[in-house]
Amino acid sequence: DTAVSQTPKYLVTQMGNDKSIKCEQNLGHDTMYWYKQDSKKFLKIMFSYNNKELIINETVPNRFSPKSPDKAHLNLHINSLELGDSAVYFCASSQRPATEAFFGQGTRLTVV
Amino acid sequence: TQLLEQSPQFLSIQEGENLTVYCNSSSVFSSLQWYRQEPGEGPVLLVTVVTGGEVKKLKRLTFQFGDARKDSSLHITAAQPGDTGLYLCAGKGRSQGNLIFGKGTKLSVKP
Repeated sequence: DTAVSQTPKYLVTQMGNDKSIKCEQNLGHDTMYWYKQDSKKFLKIMFSYNNKELIINETVPNRFSPKSPDKAHLNLHINSLELGDSAVYFCASSQRPATEAFFGQGTRLTVV
Repeated sequence: TQLLEQSPQFLSIQEGENLTVYCNSSSVFSSLQWYRQEPGEGPVLLVTVVTGGEVKKLKRLTFQFGDARKDSSLHITAAQPGDTGLYLCAGKGRSQGNLIFGKGTKLSVKP
């Protein structure tokens, strides 16, 4: 069983579209994250949720909206996609905020 | 702003060589984590160091946390092609829930 699973693994879409990425963890962790990894491999935190509550919201355009229906899920919805949104997006979870993180396999988003 | 600086950025060596990569900051961290990321995969946790001066070993990998808890190093003995990957250090940022990452060291071990 995959500990942190995110779908889809690949997403190719046109500029202006709206898309969602789903993430689920079966580790019983309280904290979940979304990270963006750019072409230079820098992992930048976007959002962090603890017990379904948003605790970190870094400087991210309003077009990105996370939703946590329960502790095991943290989805990412992106409106009006732009070319610069192309990157690999990683979901992760940890038992408590900022402790050892377990990552999903990533979603490679390509906006054309 | 808390930053974790990793060096070198790239490292290409032959199988059997030893190497050390570094993670430095001007800030004190309560703990630091090391991850390895392989192409097409998410980062995988290798170790967490917590106490200043701590040394942890994981087979051929040796991790050290600086006495002042501002830096850490990863030493690999007799590197193998399977060690190839992106090595990332991470620590708890000032904001609750903020796990910040360095930019990583991309290691390539040639057979």
